[in-house]
Amino acid sequence: DAMVIQNPRYQVTQFGKPVTLSCSQTLNHNVMYWYQQKSSQAPKLLFHYYDKDFNNEADTPDNFQSRRPNTSFCFLDIRSPGLGDAAMYLCATSRGPMNEQFFGPGTRLTVL
Amino acid sequence: GIQVEQSPPDLILQEGANSTLRCNFSDSVNNLQWFHQNPWGQLINLFYIPSGTKQNGRLSATTVATERYSLLYISSSQTTDSGVYFCAVGGGNNRLAFGKGNQVVVIP
Repeated sequence: DAMVIQNPRYQVTQFGKPVTLSCSQTLNHNVMYWYQQKSSQAPKLLFHYYDKDFNNEADTPDNFQSRRPNTSFCFLDIRSPGLGDAAMYLCATSRGPMNEQFFGPGTRLTVL
Repeated sequence: GIQVEQSPPDLILQEGANSTLRCNFSDSVNNLQWFHQNPWGQLINLFYIPSGTKQNGRLSATTVATERYSLLYISSSQTTDSGVYFCAVGGGNNRLAFGKGNQVVVIP
């Protein structure tokens, strides 16, 4: 089945220690998104790639970076995680910018 | 950006009951999706419904784009329907705006 895969499902890191979250897709979609969701809140868009075109949200901290080396993979790098970065990180894909979005299972990040 | 309001914020249902969740949005949209967030945090697609009516089993949805609202109907609710339901809409800026969600608890 075509799907969106996120690894790892659970990630524990230490304050200030860089961490990378991974997303891959078999849908061959052009757009990949990263969202942050904190407890009892709605998902918040961090950035998205439309093909190789990177689109950062204005309020996304510089601490968050992303890479998309090819169509199938997209990475979220958190350079110096703080306690406030503990959250669920959701990856999504869509065929085009306004097409239906499909989400992966998420990575729950804990910062100690 | 587009404002999205969902109501009611919290809903407790007896198993077998029917319910309606509402999503109001502030501008014209070209994308509207309903999601169910399961206990493990995954967002499950329920409907992609920028306009019209769709049904999938016990769930159905209607979007009246001209009046800027969408409704999600849950019939004969089951305990597995518990969770948070999100409405998300997309307008001209190519981004989905999420509502705050409807927290649904179905009790046996």
